[in-house]
Amino acid sequence: QSVVTQSPSVSGTPGQGVAISCSGSGSNIGSNTVNWYQMLPGTAPKLLIYGDNQRPSGVPDRFSGSRSGTSASLAISGLQSEDEADYYCTVWDDGLNGVVFGGGTKLTVL
Amino acid sequence: EVQLVESGGGLVQPGGSLRLSCAASGLRFSGYGLNWVRQAPGKGLEWVSYISSTSTTLHYADFVKDRFIISRDNGKKVLYLQMNSLRAEDSAIYYCARAARFLEWTFDFWGPGTQVFVSS
Repeated sequence: QSVVTQSPSVSGTPGQGVAISCSGSGSNIGSNTVNWYQMLPGTAPKLLIYGDNQRPSGVPDRFSGSRSGTSASLAISGLQSEDEADYYCTVWDDGLNGVVFGGGTKLTVL
Repeated sequence: EVQLVESGGGLVQPGGSLRLSCAASGLRFSGYGLNWVRQAPGKGLEWVSYISSTSTTLHYADFVKDRFIISRDNGKKVLYLQMNSLRAEDSAIYYCARAARFLEWTFDFWGPGTQVFVSS
C-alpha cells in the first residue's frame, strides 16, 4: 500500500473532462511538488506534468495539474481515445527519504 | 536525441544476483542524476534507487536497502544496478530514468525497460 493514494480507475467519454486525484500527507505532497506520468499499454512511462502544474514540451494543454494541501490533481479535458492509459502521481517523501509513486489510476475512454 | 537502453535482465533463482545496465546516448551523461524504477506484473510503478551526477549522493527504497547497489561510470555513460539476495517479489520490469536538471525527483526520460524474473 503506497503512502500516496490514487483512485484505481476513472472513465469518461470522448470530449468529456476527467480528474484524477492523488492524496498524501505533510511529509510528501504537503511539502514537495508533484509530478504526473502517463503510461500507455506496453510502453515506458512518459512525463506529463512536473512541478505541480508545468507541462513538458509536446504535452497538450488538455492536461493540467494542481496541488493544494496534501492533495494533488490531474485534469484532462477533451478526452481522446489515445488518452486511455495508466496515470501515476509521484512526489519526494521527506520521512522516507525517497520518491513515492501513487498506486496508479487506469483511465478508460468509453 | 536522448536514449536510455537497459540490459542485463533475465531469469535468476531466489537468493541469486543480477547486474542491470543502462547505456545512455544523446546527453551529457555526467550532468544528470539517474534513477531505477520498477513495475511488477500487474502492479504499479515503484521507485528503487537514485544516484547523483557525481555518485556522491545515493538513495534507496527501504525494500532494497542492503541488497541492491546503484553505481555509474560517467566515462562509459552507463548506469548500473547490482541486485543481490533476489526474491520472487523483485520480479519486475526495471526502467532507468533520467532526473531532470535541477529537478532531481522529476524523471524526464525513460528507457524501455529490462525484465527480471526471480523464480526457481
